[in-house]
Amino acid sequence: EAGVTQFPSHSVIEKGQTVTLRCDPISGHDNLYWYRRVMGKEIKFLLHFVKESKQDESGMPNNRFLAERTGGTYSTLKVQPAELEDSGVYFCASSQETTTGTDTQYFGPGTRLTVL
Amino acid sequence: AQKVTQAQTEISVVEKEDVTLDCVYETRDTTYYLFWYKQPPSGELVFLIRRNSFDEQNEISGRYSWNFQKSTSSFNFTITASQVVDSAVYFCALSEAWYGGATNKLIFGTGTLLAVQP
Repeated sequence: EAGVTQFPSHSVIEKGQTVTLRCDPISGHDNLYWYRRVMGKEIKFLLHFVKESKQDESGMPNNRFLAERTGGTYSTLKVQPAELEDSGVYFCASSQETTTGTDTQYFGPGTRLTVL
Repeated sequence: AQKVTQAQTEISVVEKEDVTLDCVYETRDTTYYLFWYKQPPSGELVFLIRRNSFDEQNEISGRYSWNFQKSTSSFNFTITASQVVDSAVYFCALSEAWYGGATNKLIFGTGTLLAVQP
């Protein structure tokens, strides 16, 4: 079974440009999460989709970030316009649906974003 | 507030040594879950273990073992007879129980870089 995949693996852009990151979750996983790790810091939650609906987007830094998950399959995270502080590694994770307790999130390899 | 502290930023050991990675957590919830993930040089986060707050039994999986102590709010990870392939960044994480309508976001520590020298 294929794991979580993310594209691109690396992206280098100029300040003010737009970048779109893509995540393909494990097939059949309704939950999809985005996280970000800024250099040397902890990995921080950005948002959570259940199928195509945003369950929690409390971690999104500001309105320059837009996440979508059309059809409840893959997700995109767009940063427009990018700023220097957006640099970091963006992780995507997915898990099966659960109604109580917890789920185990399986992570992709991340996209390393560098804003110059 | 929830918080995870991994005080060890970097650890270097020689192959075959035992090594313990510390994790201390803070939460006001009575039901919560603890996780360990491994990030090898390839970059992906690999799930290692999940533990719920009601199960304090220690867990052993091959050379890996975990010690969960609610009295000290710790969930430490020990690698016995370390190998070069164990070199990675290890993250400890915490989540609240999810009762539908909420989110099961993970709260991560800053990670511990383990270097195992041959």
